[in-house]
Amino acid sequence: GESVGLHLPTLSVQEGDNSIINCAYSNSASDYFIWYKQESGKGPQFIIDIRSNMDKRQGQRVTVLLNKTVKHLSLQIAATQPGDSAVYFCAGVHNQGGKLIFGQGTELSVKP
Amino acid sequence: NAGVTQTPKFRVLKTGQSMTLLCAQDMNHEYMYWYRQDPGMGLRLIHYSVGEGTTAKGEVPDGYNVSRLKKQNFLLGLESAAPSQTSVYFCASTQTGGVGGYTFGSGTRLTVV
Repeated sequence: GESVGLHLPTLSVQEGDNSIINCAYSNSASDYFIWYKQESGKGPQFIIDIRSNMDKRQGQRVTVLLNKTVKHLSLQIAATQPGDSAVYFCAGVHNQGGKLIFGQGTELSVKP
Repeated sequence: NAGVTQTPKFRVLKTGQSMTLLCAQDMNHEYMYWYRQDPGMGLRLIHYSVGEGTTAKGEVPDGYNVSRLKKQNFLLGLESAAPSQTSVYFCASTQTGGVGGYTFGSGTRLTVV
């Protein structure tokens, strides 16, 4: 079946450290993946995306890595700040209907 | 540019009551989606639409109906609300198949007692 899952439900890091959030996917019907950040009481906010013809993409303080061989994505946040505290979701875009298939999420806590 | 607007933001229903959630987008997006989010979980797709007049079932469609009579609006209906439908509902839209990204509404918190 189709699923996108995350390895860890929670992650706690020290302010200034780098954070790595992992995600595994099982379906082959997605060739486009997106990382979202969700703060309490708000909708998902786009962070960064990557297409299956790439293995790495960088944004401002964030990097997404895609390993198609093992169907694994990771989100790296450099110099994590208190404002990065939130739940992070990976999502695969299904080829049919552009449906977003979400993982369960990882809650990132940043300790000052 | 309002993006995606969901109404209402909060609602409490009694079991068996009906209601309609409205999602409106002003970006001329073709695709629209309704998701529900339960505590500690990711978003799950209820129904979606790839254009005016079209709808399709998602992962958890039971107990819900939808309509897309106008391109800018996507309505989610609960005919007979159940406590299991207590959740936060998010609407999203995108141009075509994710091109240009997805825009999410701020959510509707629904409690069924």
